[in-house]
Amino acid sequence: VLTQSPGTLSLSPGERATLSCRASQPITIGYLAWYQQKSGQAPRFLIHGASSRATGIPDRFTGSGSGTDFSLIISRLEPEDSAVYYCQQYGRSPITFGGGTKVEIK
Amino acid sequence: EVQLVESGGGLVRPGGSLRLSCAASGFTFSSYAMSWVRQAPGKGLEWVSGINDSGDSAYYADSVKGRFTISRDNSKNTLYVQLNSLRAEDTAVYFCAKSDVFAVVATPFDHWGQGTLVTVSS
Repeated sequence: VLTQSPGTLSLSPGERATLSCRASQPITIGYLAWYQQKSGQAPRFLIHGASSRATGIPDRFTGSGSGTDFSLIISRLEPEDSAVYYCQQYGRSPITFGGGTKVEIK
Repeated sequence: EVQLVESGGGLVRPGGSLRLSCAASGFTFSSYAMSWVRQAPGKGLEWVSGINDSGDSAYYADSVKGRFTISRDNSKNTLYVQLNSLRAEDTAVYFCAKSDVFAVVATPFDHWGQGTLVTVSS
């Protein structure tokens, strides 16, 4: 089970967002990904291997962590970062997602 | 450019069946594992099923095991999922997603389709 916190973050442009994803058991070899989903859209691949950015993802997005505790940091928030962010473990079946963190830009 | 286009969604009665398709283009479909992920209205993402590149290994979430069947036709660059014995709780947008290697596990989903809505209601 992946537990994401907080449920909602409300921040101003330029601020830093810290999103947490905690696993109920260690995640195999850091097989942890992050996705961004804007309203009415498909998820977008952001981070894999806990800390590697996907192609084309700006360096404002930084993933970190290992074992059971992982984080996604969005530095210098921009209005377009308003979305729900999901973590995912893909090291074993069933693949699972966290419940999501909604990031609102004031 | 990778494109994934789902189709086949619609309104179906409880206990009914539906087959969803995902047409893939822009990459060598036969070299990559594929999955279905669903999202109930206003809820989060739930992985449903995955299949390896050759189609000989399939995986399912417990919630759909025995009711859903994933398959692929590499000659047609198309992924399928057969939904049987549908329940109200299966109502969701169903996305197809591409893995970045041949295996279902140990790989994230690097591309997603826009989804197709399945509504189970009497």
